[in-house]
Amino acid sequence: EVQLVESGGGLVQPGGSLRLSCAASGFTFSSYWMSWVRQAPGKGLEWVANIKQDGSEKYYVDSVKGRFTISRDNAKNSLYLQMNSLRAEDTAVYYCARMYYDFWSGPGCFDYWGQGTLVTVSS
Amino acid sequence: DIQMTQSPSTLSASVGDRVTITCRASQSISSWLAWYQQKPGKAPKLLIYKASSLESGVPSRFSGSGSGTEFTLTISSLQPDDFATYYCQQYNSYTWTFGQGTKVEIK
Repeated sequence: EVQLVESGGGLVQPGGSLRLSCAASGFTFSSYWMSWVRQAPGKGLEWVANIKQDGSEKYYVDSVKGRFTISRDNAKNSLYLQMNSLRAEDTAVYYCARMYYDFWSGPGCFDYWGQGTLVTVSS
Repeated sequence: DIQMTQSPSTLSASVGDRVTITCRASQSISSWLAWYQQKPGKAPKLLIYKASSLESGVPSRFSGSGSGTEFTLTISSLQPDDFATYYCQQYNSYTWTFGQGTKVEIK
């Protein structure tokens, strides 16, 4: 059974940092693109970042470029999101998600999701 | 950036109704579109990928269609478990964007 378990969320002051982790099990982690998707309270879904199987390609939504860094450790079956210079608008539930890959489209949709971890940026 | 617009934002329907949700892309995305269902406090669940492919384990009352810029998600006979919020998501040319969501409520 595929399982994704996020951790590391919490309350942080504006300008602060936080590192999210996602522990993966039930599939060959090193064979999949992985992603972070967030959802602000009462709002819709927003893709944040994703990373290729070997970490050689990374993509970010414009609003987090230069502040957030996605990484992975295939030996530990773990995905990470280092979040720096946090702003109030980064407040959200952050989901770790596995990406479905299609030969023609590349990394595509999100076929498995974790339960999410809440990040609150407030003074 | 590719923008995704869903309509309606809210839909009131009864059990047994046929329900259709529309998603429009600001430019052609071929068939690179997915649909998700999300219930309050839960993670989204993938229903449809590549516009019309049904994810394993998803009931056959869900179907997707469309290509280019206009797509639809249809629930052929709404069940009590289907009251939720639905999102479309495009994945064209190494970009990923969600629609704003459609909440399906009990009429």
